[in-house]
Amino acid sequence: QKEVEQNSGPLSVPEGAIASLNCTYSDRGSQSFFWYRQYSGKSPELIMSIYSNGDKEDGRFTAQLNKASQYVSLLIRDSQPSDSATYLCAVNLYNFNKFYFGSGTKLNVKP
Amino acid sequence: GAGVSQSPRYKVAKRGQDVALRCDPISGHVSLFWYQQALGQGPEFLTYFQNEAQLDKSGLPSDRFFAERPEGSVSTLKIQRTQKEDSAVYLCASSLKRAGANVLTFGAGSRLTVL
Repeated sequence: QKEVEQNSGPLSVPEGAIASLNCTYSDRGSQSFFWYRQYSGKSPELIMSIYSNGDKEDGRFTAQLNKASQYVSLLIRDSQPSDSATYLCAVNLYNFNKFYFGSGTKLNVKP
Repeated sequence: GAGVSQSPRYKVAKRGQDVALRCDPISGHVSLFWYQQALGQGPEFLTYFQNEAQLDKSGLPSDRFFAERPEGSVSTLKIQRTQKEDSAVYLCASSLKRAGANVLTFGAGSRLTVL
């Protein structure tokens, strides 16, 4: 079992719709949670970090964390074609040294 | 520097050759990580440095892989006797403080192709 699981997609949504990306993790000792965006051929860039249960909003992005269910999600409102990328979920464990990444979900936003 | 700098961006090696990949982290960043990213996969942890100390090398896939950060800034990932399965993008990331509630800033990566 991988530490972090994501549906590989592709997830296709029309422009202006809400895109919902999901991630589950296996270690209950996980403390920090991150969403990275990776364009094809580029390096990952941080979109959101979340550390406590509930929602965290930043512009069009909302991260949701449910530690009881070991579940993290990312909502993208008013999706734009420029949001088309692979979204990586990352989890940092209690020992602080490792950030585990999921395999990523590919998002296609169609104009 | 302004960002994490990696070189070379692209490297083609014949099977059996040794390669060295360089990472220059953001100035003042204490923590430095190396990740390996195969095509269509997420980054896989290789090793972690806090300043010059290599605190975790549990992700290095074999003893052909070696990393160092002798002065606590620039790091080099060396792969000896490269094999085809070493073909991947090698990402370096740094963070300001000790790992924990800190975020990683990635370099552009070094794409290694072993023929």
